Amino acid sequence: QITLKESGPTLVKPTQTLTLTCTFSGFSLSASGVGVGWIRQPPGKALEWLSLIYWDDDKRFSPSLKNRLTITRDTSKNQVVLTMTNMDPVDTATYYCARRPNWGDTFDIWGQGTKVTVSS
Amino acid sequence: QSVLTQPPSVSGAPGQRVTISCTGSSSNIGADFDVHWYQHLPGTAPKLLIYNNNNRPSGVPDRFSGSKSGTSASLAITGLQADDEADYYCQSYDSSLSGYVFGTGTMVTVL
Repeated sequence: QITLKESGPTLVKPTQTLTLTCTFSGFSLSASGVGVGWIRQPPGKALEWLSLIYWDDDKRFSPSLKNRLTITRDTSKNQVVLTMTNMDPVDTATYYCARRPNWGDTFDIWGQGTKVTVSS
Repeated sequence: QSVLTQPPSVSGAPGQRVTISCTGSSSNIGADFDVHWYQHLPGTAPKLLIYNNNNRPSGVPDRFSGSKSGTSASLAITGLQADDEADYYCQSYDSSLSGYVFGTGTMVTVL
């Protein structure tokens, strides 16, 4: 069974850095073609793709956020970590991690999401 | 900033057929990148409904189908049921952005 779970703070202050961890099981991020991505959904708005790290450590970022994002992986711990700097209230959202399978540019299994509020 | 455009809402009576369009451009759907569809209920994780344009994951009823043509794609739901009420998103890859893109989302209401 493949599972992913997000963890991190529920509340951050403006200008702070957000660090989110995705802990997964049931698949290997070392397998060719596999990736783990981050997607968010602000309240009342659409899903927005943020970043993705591939099995070969290739990394992709949303152009609008790339200057604020870092993504890393720890294959021994089955974790992917996303950091977002200079948080703003508009970054308030539910953040999801999801698996990119080796058979397509899609996200087939998602975590339950973690809600992050940016407020002083 | 969604680069794939969907209608904000569609509705239909139980048993009816509804379709949701997803309009892209020459750098995503028109560049022959696959389109995928997700069903999203509030407070839950999005669920992959259709992958690679017209394929259903195991467990997804055949009432859901996808198609793609040119720079657009569509999701069709036949035999509409009450538990189909949800938000639906299309998703593809964009070569000019070198990343993944989602649609603006469509709320399906069963009358």
